[in-house]
Amino acid sequence: KAGVTQTPRYLIKTRGQQVTLSCSPISGHRSVSWYQQTPGQGLQFLFEYFSETQRNKGNFPGRFSGRQFSNSRSEMNVSTLELGDSALYLCASSPQPEGATGELFFGEGSRLTVL
Amino acid sequence: DQQVKQNSPSLSVQEGRISILNCDYTNSMFDYFLWYKKYPAEGPTFLISISSIKDKNEDGRFTVFLNKSAKHLSLHIVPSQPGDSAVYFCAASDGNKGGKLIFGQGTELSVKP
Repeated sequence: KAGVTQTPRYLIKTRGQQVTLSCSPISGHRSVSWYQQTPGQGLQFLFEYFSETQRNKGNFPGRFSGRQFSNSRSEMNVSTLELGDSALYLCASSPQPEGATGELFFGEGSRLTVL
Repeated sequence: DQQVKQNSPSLSVQEGRISILNCDYTNSMFDYFLWYKKYPAEGPTFLISISSIKDKNEDGRFTVFLNKSAKHLSLHIVPSQPGDSAVYFCAASDGNKGGKLIFGQGTELSVKP
């Protein structure tokens, strides 16, 4: 069974640009979550999608957005990039039904560098 | 505010000895706790979890202890092996939050041969 796939793995952008990251969950998983990892901050929750609906949202500005498609694939977008957006962006999928708590399966992440 | 805290950024242990990683939380609504391990250039992988109705869960060399009154959990690895060297994150959930986990900052474990 293929794992969570994230593309691109690495990318470099300049301030003010926008970026779109893609995530393909494990087949059959309907929940997709996004996290931002920066040094010293651990993983911070961005948002979660389940059946094409945003179910939970973290404390990030509106420049961070996402969506989920009918095949459960998800994208996240960051507009008007700032230097502080440089981070590893991790996508995770889960087979859990709505409202349940369980382990998440993470992809390898997309490393974004903003210059 | 950091609801889940791992106060030790790093830990060094000799091979064969016990590794104890600690985690504190502040939100009494958290009812499910997990530990993840992360190697460089890889995503975190699930290690072990515990529900708030339990105080201990064991899986092979890994045991997680939960002290609800102290809002503290710990991960014990016995015996420690060099392959256990990684960053360990504890995470918490308040039940009906699906894929939303609150993570600590991580502890980098180094197991020396």
